[in-house]
Amino acid sequence: EDQVTQSPEALRLQEGESSSLNCSYTVSGLRGLFWYRQDPGKGPEFLFTLYSAGEEKEKERLKATLTKKESFLHITAPKPEDSATYLCAVRGSTLGRLYFGRGTQLTVWP
Amino acid sequence: KAGVTQTPRYLIKTRGQQVTLSCSPISGHRSVSWYQQTPGQGLQFLFEYFSETQRNKGNFPGRFSGRQFSNSRSEMNVSTLELGDSALYLCASSPGDFGDTQYFGPGTRLTVL
Repeated sequence: EDQVTQSPEALRLQEGESSSLNCSYTVSGLRGLFWYRQDPGKGPEFLFTLYSAGEEKEKERLKATLTKKESFLHITAPKPEDSATYLCAVRGSTLGRLYFGRGTQLTVWP
Repeated sequence: KAGVTQTPRYLIKTRGQQVTLSCSPISGHRSVSWYQQTPGQGLQFLFEYFSETQRNKGNFPGRFSGRQFSNSRSEMNVSTLELGDSALYLCASSPGDFGDTQYFGPGTRLTVL
């Protein structure tokens, strides 16, 4: 069965302190790995889509990487406005539906 | 382009009632998916529609149903509401291929009393 596990569940960083979030996945025939950011009470906001191992994408202070078993979301010099829950999801070829992890709740304090 | 819109944004119902939620996808998108989000269970997949046909279904009871119209707009219905149905219901649209990115709406917050 397709599965997605995110770690850590929660992360507190001081402003400027870089770190990485992990997304481990098991899926048959990866069709895409997706990162989203979600603020409380709002819908997830799309960040990145990765399709194959070795692929990397960047946007401002965020960089997403992908291997055959996991993906990392690297946050460089975070700011308080980066505080949110970061969700990882995968789509495999077997059933085609999107599987979400439970998310990492990131808090960045000044 | 306008994003995904969902109506209503907030809803309060009592046990036993039924509710219908609406989703308008991004223009040109043919796939609409529905999710239930609760603090305890995270994001749970309900179903996905593509060109008016249900393409995938999650593990929810038959009280949860949906449909998609020819203009790609979608509705989901929950009958005989239970307290545990209180959640944020999210709709996401994508162009249609399995590798396509899904874009989410703001959600409908349903409270069942």
